[in-house]
Amino acid sequence: DTEVTQTPKHLVMGMTNKKSLKCEQHMGHRAMYWYKQKAKKPPELMFVYSYEKLSINESVPSRFSPECPNSSLLNLHLHALQPEDSALYLCASSQDPGGGADTQYFGPGTRLTVL
Amino acid sequence: RKEVEQDPGPFNVPEGATVAFNCTYSNSASQSFFWYRQDCRKEPKLLMSVYSSGNEDGRFTAQLNRASQYISLLIRDSKLSDSATYLCAVNRWAGGGADGLTFGKGTHLIIQP
Repeated sequence: DTEVTQTPKHLVMGMTNKKSLKCEQHMGHRAMYWYKQKAKKPPELMFVYSYEKLSINESVPSRFSPECPNSSLLNLHLHALQPEDSALYLCASSQDPGGGADTQYFGPGTRLTVL
Repeated sequence: RKEVEQDPGPFNVPEGATVAFNCTYSNSASQSFFWYRQDCRKEPKLLMSVYSSGNEDGRFTAQLNRASQYISLLIRDSKLSDSATYLCAVNRWAGGGADGLTFGKGTHLIIQP
């Protein structure tokens, strides 16, 4: 089972709203990732969590705030977003953060529209 | 030189044909290489990891050439269902800790009946 789940599937929010994206995996993976994908572009890395600790932040604006409450859950808190933040937000997980060729499995994504 | 480069296509190929994609990467320290398939408005799905010795999975064969810093994907006996965007992905550092992937822009494949 290589399932990563994400909720919600679709989200529409105003620029003054606060919302959260949720990602969950029950494969015992110890690394989790957030990527952003704009239309007709490849996924771009935002954050990496390794053993529930933030290990990589790709200079993402502070209006995006990640959180890893436990080894199975990853959240992305959104506040004061801009219309250009509209994109598909993908969560991924991988088994062993220090394991070399570590395969990442992606969730179905949350399609975010900021009005 | 961009980190990971792919020919965006589209590749229009008749059903049953063999098609090959290449992907070049700039970071010689990269250790992990993957091919993902992405259907329209869906998430990337892992197609194959790519190893130095090359690997094959049914109609799909992946190769890695470290000296020239490219990976390739060969699809034999192509099916209509192979129509998708194929993304190559390379890890960003040489091992040691969780590592993000850098993706190429993807190659769009259209299999025609």
